[in-house]
Amino acid sequence: GAVVSQHPSWVICKSGTSVKIECRSLDFQATTMFWYRQFPKQSLMLMATSNEGSKATYEQGVEKDKFLINHASLTLSTLTVTSAHPEDSSFYICSARDYHEQYFGPGTRLTVT
Amino acid sequence: AQSVAQPEDQVNVAEGNPLTVKCTYSVSGNPYLFWYVQYPNRGLQFLLKYITGDNLVKGSYGFEAEFNKSQTSFHLKKPSALVSDSALYFCAVRDGGGTYKYIFGTGTRLKVLA
Repeated sequence: GAVVSQHPSWVICKSGTSVKIECRSLDFQATTMFWYRQFPKQSLMLMATSNEGSKATYEQGVEKDKFLINHASLTLSTLTVTSAHPEDSSFYICSARDYHEQYFGPGTRLTVT
Repeated sequence: AQSVAQPEDQVNVAEGNPLTVKCTYSVSGNPYLFWYVQYPNRGLQFLLKYITGDNLVKGSYGFEAEFNKSQTSFHLKKPSALVSDSALYFCAVRDGGGTYKYIFGTGTRLKVLA
């Protein structure tokens, strides 16, 4: 099946710094990728839809200036958490759409100290 | 609007017994339904999907799900539970508005007791 990777798998950063998370579709081209956030013991919350070559569409309540999304190619989308704070600590999961389905990455654990 | 409900936060079952994890949905149009499993600190693993066809869908790791249109349900089942099945299970429905977004249920933690 289709494979999606994320890098890094975990990252620790200091408050006020920015961190970039990459999401790659390894064996297919994805015009659409999605970014989710998951709090402990909770469901996945869709943050934004990322379309190749255009601006991301953010869900209500998600700060687009804080969570910068770039989908520069058909196989790569990046999420940059700018000026990170401890409340941004979370598990971030991306997915890539291939036809009618989404394929999920393994997730990135972000801890902001 | 599309929605998915998983009424049970946790399901406990003894190893070897059948298990059921419940999911009900609300959609306009034909539903695209999915089940995923998540192990601690891991991403989502696809189990099975219903798009059209037979109401009984067979998936990975011995799981199956029954699509019931009249009850708007898509319950996940397995005839004989394993301790290794203990994980968090998510039901999801695909948004029918052309965005391909998935709406996830709140998740059900399955605990299989040895």
